[in-house]
Order: sequence, then structure tokens, then C-alpha cells
Amino acid sequence: GDSVTQKQGQVTLSEDDFLFINCTYSTTTYPTLLWYVQYPGQGPQLLLKVTTANNKGISRGFEATYDKGTTSFHLQKASVQESDSAVYFCALVSPASGSWQLIFGSGTQLTVMP
Amino acid sequence: GGIITQTPKFLIGQEGQKLTLKCQQNFNHDTMYWYRQDSGKGLRLIYYSITENDLQKGDLSEGYDASREKKSSFSLTVTSAQKNEMAVFLCASSIGGEDTQYFGPGTRLLVL
Repeated sequence: GDSVTQKQGQVTLSEDDFLFINCTYSTTTYPTLLWYVQYPGQGPQLLLKVTTANNKGISRGFEATYDKGTTSFHLQKASVQESDSAVYFCALVSPASGSWQLIFGSGTQLTVMP
Repeated sequence: GGIITQTPKFLIGQEGQKLTLKCQQNFNHDTMYWYRQDSGKGLRLIYYSITENDLQKGDLSEGYDASREKKSSFSLTVTSAQKNEMAVFLCASSIGGEDTQYFGPGTRLLVL
């Protein structure tokens, strides 16, 4: 079945550092890939969506791209701020009976030091 | 815009107890979901429902029941709480046929 792997469990950066988070996926369909961000005490919020049609998404200074050749997708930001500290999840959209389901990676805890 | 409300925010139970979590959404979305989030793990799907009175099992449905009696609400029951269990249960909703899901703030469960 469809699967997602997110290996970076924890990332610690200083303000203005470059952020790069990577996920790999496996699917037999055309992939739609999502990035969610979860702040403490809240549910995940959609950050970006990437499809085979657009190949790239940009929001709030974050950029998401995917590489079909290596079946991987990436989240990056040129200059992180302390307020970006949160857990970031990648997710693969997978067909389900009558709907879609999201297959989530295990999450990357980003801590940005002032 | 809309909002998803989950009650209670915190739930402490005893081993073997039946526990019910509730979720309400005012997006008027057709599809609703229940996920379990464990520390260091991604979200895992327990149940989803594509319309009122519909129930579909996810990968983690064993040990849980669900109920969708109204379009706006979706309940999850832990049929027999396991000792030392600690997790966050997240409710989500989406427009029917669309893949973007909107999440509530979660219910934090602790079983003593």
C-alpha cells in the first residue's frame, strides 16, 4: 500500500538558518503531497500542497517541491524564525473508499533558537 | 470559515473503562475523520465517515467504535481503555471528494 517515510525526528536551528526537511513516498497513483504544521496544543494546519500539476507550492516563506525520480518531497525555508518552531508533518493523499485518506510521516520537531 | 470543536480537551480514565470523545464541525463538511497521535509517530486513521450514518474503518479501528448521527458531529468510543495509554485524538473534516482536511485541537487521553 501507499507509504511515507520522514526520518528527521528533530531539527534544531538558529534564527536566519536555512531549513530543509525531506520525506520519501511510495504510491501507485499520481501523488498529491501535503505539508502540515502543528503548534503546541493545536491540531495540524495545512501549510502547503504539491501535485503533479504544480510541482511546487509556496506559502508564508515556505517552499515545497517534489522529485518524481527519487520519490521524495521537500519542505524548505530560506531563513527560519523562532515563531516557526513547531512539528512539521508530510502527508501523502491516498484513495480510500468513498473519500481520500492521508498517510502521514512521523513528524519533524523544529526548534529555532533566538 | 469554520471551526472544529473537540470535547473534552483532557480525558483521564481507568483501565477497562469505556470512554467517549466528541467532535463538532460547522464547516458543513461531508466527511469527518478520527486520528490517533502518539508521541514521535505520525497520525494514524481510526475511523472516517463520508456522510451521516456512514462509518468506514481505518488502519487502527480495533478497540474503537464510532458514531455519526448528524452531519455536524462524529463521536469516537474507546471500548476498553488500556493501562498507561497516553495519546492525542484528533478529529478532522473535509469537503466531500476533496483531499484537504481541517483539524480540531485534539483530546488528550491518559489512562491510569
